[in-house]
Amino acid sequence: AQTVTQSQPEMSVQEAETVTLSCTYDTSENNYYLFWYKQPPSRQMILVIRQEAYKQQNATENRFSVNFQKAAKSFSLKISDSQLGDTAMYFCAFRRSRMDSSYKLIFGSGTRLLVRP
Amino acid sequence: SAVISQKPSRDICQRGTSLTIQCQVDSQVTMMFWYRQQPGQSLTLIATANQGSEATYESGFVIDKFPISRPNLTFSTLTVSNLSPEDSSIYLCSVLTPTTGARADTQYFGPGTRLTVL
Repeated sequence: AQTVTQSQPEMSVQEAETVTLSCTYDTSENNYYLFWYKQPPSRQMILVIRQEAYKQQNATENRFSVNFQKAAKSFSLKISDSQLGDTAMYFCAFRRSRMDSSYKLIFGSGTRLLVRP
Repeated sequence: SAVISQKPSRDICQRGTSLTIQCQVDSQVTMMFWYRQQPGQSLTLIATANQGSEATYESGFVIDKFPISRPNLTFSTLTVSNLSPEDSSIYLCSVLTPTTGARADTQYFGPGTRLTVL
């Protein structure tokens, strides 16, 4: 069974600085997707970034980038130039390739990020 | 990405009653999902709802407790039956985007329904 582990329950960062959130996962699959979702106090789950396992290039979305290490099964999220609006719970999620019949997202336990002014 | 709405946004219910949550999408989608987020916890998939077929439930979730309807490609409901305080959670629906494009095969979430059972 696949598992997703986020070992940092809480983190804080000064506004405008850079922070990295860690995520590791366990799977025997070769093809899969990895995601980072953000959940602010409004509780809306917002997609931050998406990575396909067969792509070696790390995904980037503006100030957000990932460090995807497939052999190490590591998928960390780097937030550059942190903004107050980045304060939220961040969830790492895993999904098997769409060739499989299940589209189930498996979530980590989350990291609560506080951006300090 | 699809625009997803849920009703109600929150509710307080008495033990033993039921609550039906609606999920509406602004475009046709083949797959919709229902997740539960217990207080301070991560999200857990309850079931997958495909139009025209029975919902597929995850281990630990049963149809009698969480009946789901999917009458068309833009709408689904989740009912939480015979409520107990342990059912107090946020319930979120999500949809799967089409299989082409930069965000292919990605799940987008509705705003969630916060349920409190007294």
